[in-house]
Amino acid sequence: EPEVTQTPSHQVTQMGQEVILRCVPISNHLYFYWYRQILGQKVEFLVSFYNNEISEKSEIFDDQFSVERPDGSNFTLKIRSTKLEDSAMYFCASSTPLAGWNEQFFGPGTRLTVL
Amino acid sequence: AQKITQTQPGMFVQEKEAVTLDCTYDTSDPSYGLFWYKQPSSGEMIFLIYQGSYDQQNATEGRYSLNFQKARKSANLVISASQLGDSAMYFCAMREANQFYFGTGTSLTVIP
Repeated sequence: EPEVTQTPSHQVTQMGQEVILRCVPISNHLYFYWYRQILGQKVEFLVSFYNNEISEKSEIFDDQFSVERPDGSNFTLKIRSTKLEDSAMYFCASSTPLAGWNEQFFGPGTRLTVL
Repeated sequence: AQKITQTQPGMFVQEKEAVTLDCTYDTSDPSYGLFWYKQPSSGEMIFLIYQGSYDQQNATEGRYSLNFQKARKSANLVISASQLGDSAMYFCAMREANQFYFGTGTSLTVIP
């Protein structure tokens, strides 16, 4: 069964460094999302991406963040100049009109630790 | 005000019994969608069920059903015939104007 994959599973970085989190959505999906979940807290929406551009973004998704679909398969989240409070699990998700758009398939997440 | 409120931080249910997980939401947008996700201890997020604001009937997916009461702005998840594998965190979420809002979750423990 096709699935969303994310790499790396765990990323440790120093405060102030840039990180790129990678996601490979399910191949025929058209809508892509990034969420984050600080340990023990609720999931927070960051951004949705459709047709090679940002569709919606939350207040959290400020200039520190950017997303890109550099090729036909990868979907990346870049965090510039990481802060301690960026430590969280980052989930990528994708959806398709064939599943009615509403069923989002989540990846296993990347745990980001900022030291 | 919170967009999504889940008032039950933890719930217990006997195996094979039904359980209801509460969710209320706040929106003035007539068009919105409501979701439930399961997050096992392994951490992945699993989509369970979706209800659109204009859907006339309550959504059902196997043992999951969504008790949608629009006037009360509630979207409770009902799990019938609980199984040990249902033990997990459950998150209610809403899509409003293409933004997504999650509740704080309910931890469900199924007791053998």
